[in-house]
Amino acid sequence: KQEVTQIPAALSVPEGENLVLNCSFTDSAIYNLQWFRQDPGKGLTSLLLIQSSQREQTSGRLNASLDKSSGRSTLYIAASQPGDSATYLCAVSDQGGSEKLVFGKGTKLTVNP
Amino acid sequence: EAQVTQNPRYLITVTGKKLTVTCSQNMNHEYMSWYRQDPGLGLRQIYYSMNVEVTDKGDVPEGYKVSRKEKRNFPLILESPSPNQTSLYFCASSDGTGVGPLHFGNGTRLTVT
Repeated sequence: KQEVTQIPAALSVPEGENLVLNCSFTDSAIYNLQWFRQDPGKGLTSLLLIQSSQREQTSGRLNASLDKSSGRSTLYIAASQPGDSATYLCAVSDQGGSEKLVFGKGTKLTVNP
Repeated sequence: EAQVTQNPRYLITVTGKKLTVTCSQNMNHEYMSWYRQDPGLGLRQIYYSMNVEVTDKGDVPEGYKVSRKEKRNFPLILESPSPNQTSLYFCASSDGTGVGPLHFGNGTRLTVT
């Protein structure tokens, strides 16, 4: 059974720092991996989606990488801002699409001014 | 605006009183899904649907029903709610190909007393 782990559970950094969030999964036979952001009391917003054939995706200050063979993904946030404070979740889908999406429990990020 | 709309946002009910949480999307998405989010357990899939009249169980389907009579709607039905179904519920949709991201509603906070 696929398991997704995110470490650390919480992270606090000063504004302007570059940071990396980690996601690991136990079964490398994934279809894709998504990174989401969740603000308190809100739904999840998809940030980046990486197909299993891809190594990385970039959007603005965000860069996500995928190493299927080692079961790892990282989300790199450049020049962090207080507005980046949120919980970040990763999720993997098994072969065939997004039917059985398995989520990690998230990393709560706080960026201090 | 592309969105997934859930109603109600907050719901307090008593054990055994049937309730329905509605979910609607305006993106003509094939795939829709329900999740519940609980502290320490993360997001868990309840049911999903790949198309009209096609539904399947996720990881925690007990005590829930769904239907997909129209493409845009995917209601979650609790026939006889119990206190252990107190949770934050999210509806989500995607194009179902595994290429497009998953779009989430803003959530329904359900309390069963």
